[in-house]
This record gives sequence, C-alpha cells and structure tokens, in this order.
Amino acid sequence: DGGITQSPKYLFRKEGQNVTLSCEQNLNHDAMYWYRQDPGQGLRLIYYSQIVNDFQKGDIAEGYSVSREKKESFPLTVTSAQKNPTAFYLCASTKRAGEVNTQYFGPGTRLTVL
Amino acid sequence: GNSVTQMEGPVTLSEEAFLTINCTYTATGYPSLFWYVQYPGEGLQLLLKATKADDKGSNKGFEATYRKETTSFHLEKGSVQVSDSAVYFCALSGYGSNDYKLSFGAGTTVTVRA
Repeated sequence: DGGITQSPKYLFRKEGQNVTLSCEQNLNHDAMYWYRQDPGQGLRLIYYSQIVNDFQKGDIAEGYSVSREKKESFPLTVTSAQKNPTAFYLCASTKRAGEVNTQYFGPGTRLTVL
Repeated sequence: GNSVTQMEGPVTLSEEAFLTINCTYTATGYPSLFWYVQYPGEGLQLLLKATKADDKGSNKGFEATYRKETTSFHLEKGSVQVSDSAVYFCALSGYGSNDYKLSFGAGTTVTVRA
C-alpha cells in the first residue's frame, strides 16, 4: 500500500539539542510539506518542497531546516534555535506541485522538549 | 492573503443528532475547498472537497457545498455516530501562480455521546 510514513511517533529532546524527524512517501508525489500543529490551533506551514533539491520557507520556518535529496524523503530538523519546539509535526505530500491537489498526510510525530 | 475561519468548538452532540460546522473563507480567484478530519493521535485524512462554485462534496454521510456568493463551505451530517468524534479542519488551496498551498482553519473538536 502506498502512503506516507513518519518516524518516530514520539520524540523527546533535551533543550539545546537538534533532532531530525523522518518523512518518507512511496506515492511518487512531487511535492512535500511540513506542518506544525499546536493544541487548539490549525496547521501552520514550516517548509515545502516542489521538486528534489529545492525547498521554500513556509510561514514559520525559523528554527527549522529541511533537505530534499530524494523524491521519497523530506526530513525536518528542529534546531536549538527553535524557541518552543514542543508540538505535533505532520508531513504531507501532493502529486504535483503548482496545481491544486489533495494533500495526503502522514500519522505525525509528537515532539516534546524536556 | 488566503484565510479560513471556522466555527469554534468544542461541539458536543448526542448520537443521531444533526451536525453543522460553519466555515467561511477569504481568497482571491477561485480556490478549492477541503474538509479534513483528524482522529485522536493521528494525521489528517481528507473527508471531502469541492473545486468550483456550487460543487457539493460528500463522503461518509458528510456534505458541504461551495458557496461563492457567501464565501462559505459549511460541513453537515444528518445523523452523527460516536465514531464521528474527531477534530474537523476546513482548508483552502489557492489557484494560480504559486498560491496552491493549503490554508487551514483552527479546527473544530466534535464529541458525539451515545
């Protein structure tokens, strides 16, 4: 079955540490996205990538970094510069960039800073 | 820019009651409109969508009609079940240029009691 996988499901980080969240898709989708979800709020876009080796900042990119070396993979690094990283992180993908497409979401990673 | 405003929750209903969640939007051009559902601890799943004015999206007994004159996309279900308990997000995707990213509402938590 095709889909999006995110790992780990739960992640704990000490203050001052960088952590990387994994996102893999086998849907052959071109575009991938990272969102942050906080309690009682909608999703906010962190970064997105339309094609391999290219990505753009979303609305809240500060303190985060990404890479897109392969079509299937779009890892997100939460750096120590992110002041309030505790949140639920969701990865999504769409078939093609630059078109209106349904976004498909992974199951999410819950990050807690201790 | 694009934005979505949806009814604040939480909403608590009895089984077989009628559910309405209001959603209005602000956008230029002709956006596509979506309803996503999130069950506890999971990612988002597409519930239904509409891509042009007067289109009606439907799925699992839920319906929403794209009303351009009132810039609305209200979600309705005639008889809810306990299994419909979830958070519901209204979203829009812009049209044209690079404005295809999803903008989400804050989400409405729905609890259905037996």
